[in-house]
Amino acid sequence: QKEVEQDPGPLSVPEGAIVSLNCTYSNSAFQYFMWYRQYSRKGPELLMYTYSSGNKEDGRFTAQVDKSSKYISLFIRDSQPSDSATYLCAIIYGGGKLTFGQGTILTVHP
Amino acid sequence: DTEVTQTPKHLVMGMTNKKSLKCEQHMGHRAMYWYKQKAKKPPELMFVYSYEKLSINESVPSRFSPECPNSSLLNLHLHALQPEDSALYLCASSITPRDNEQFFGPGTRLTVL
Repeated sequence: QKEVEQDPGPLSVPEGAIVSLNCTYSNSAFQYFMWYRQYSRKGPELLMYTYSSGNKEDGRFTAQVDKSSKYISLFIRDSQPSDSATYLCAIIYGGGKLTFGQGTILTVHP
Repeated sequence: DTEVTQTPKHLVMGMTNKKSLKCEQHMGHRAMYWYKQKAKKPPELMFVYSYEKLSINESVPSRFSPECPNSSLLNLHLHALQPEDSALYLCASSITPRDNEQFFGPGTRLTVL
């Protein structure tokens, strides 16, 4: 079983839609959960990270962790064409060992 | 300066060549990382340097040889690579290995002929 699993999509939505991106993870000991965004031909950039359970909001983005079901989500409100990218969930071990999900390719069309 | 830079942007090499990838950051970060990313796949960790010392090697073949000459610079020396090593090589840094935010460079796109 992979440590973190993510549906690769692709996902295509109209501008203004609410986008929901999801991952599951296997080890209940994980405590830090990250969401990265990667535009084509660029390196990933950290969008948000959450510690333990609960929600974290930053502008149009909300990250949610449900430790009881080992489920992490990223919601994007009022999606824009500029949000079109690959979204990667990730977990991190001590020592900086970052493990990514497969990535979901998102296209927001005008 | 708040970015990680990588050179070259693109590299084409033969299987008998020796080449090096370079990564630089001037943010005072003391942890640096190499990742490999194949097309349509997520980045995979290769090496972690913590305070200029190699702390994690994810069982990477010896044809990849990392080097950290100082706290700002990270090199990846390549020798006798195979075509399947063609990928995007990403460098990242963080304040320390305990910090969760890793800043990624744009990557070097490597093609092995």
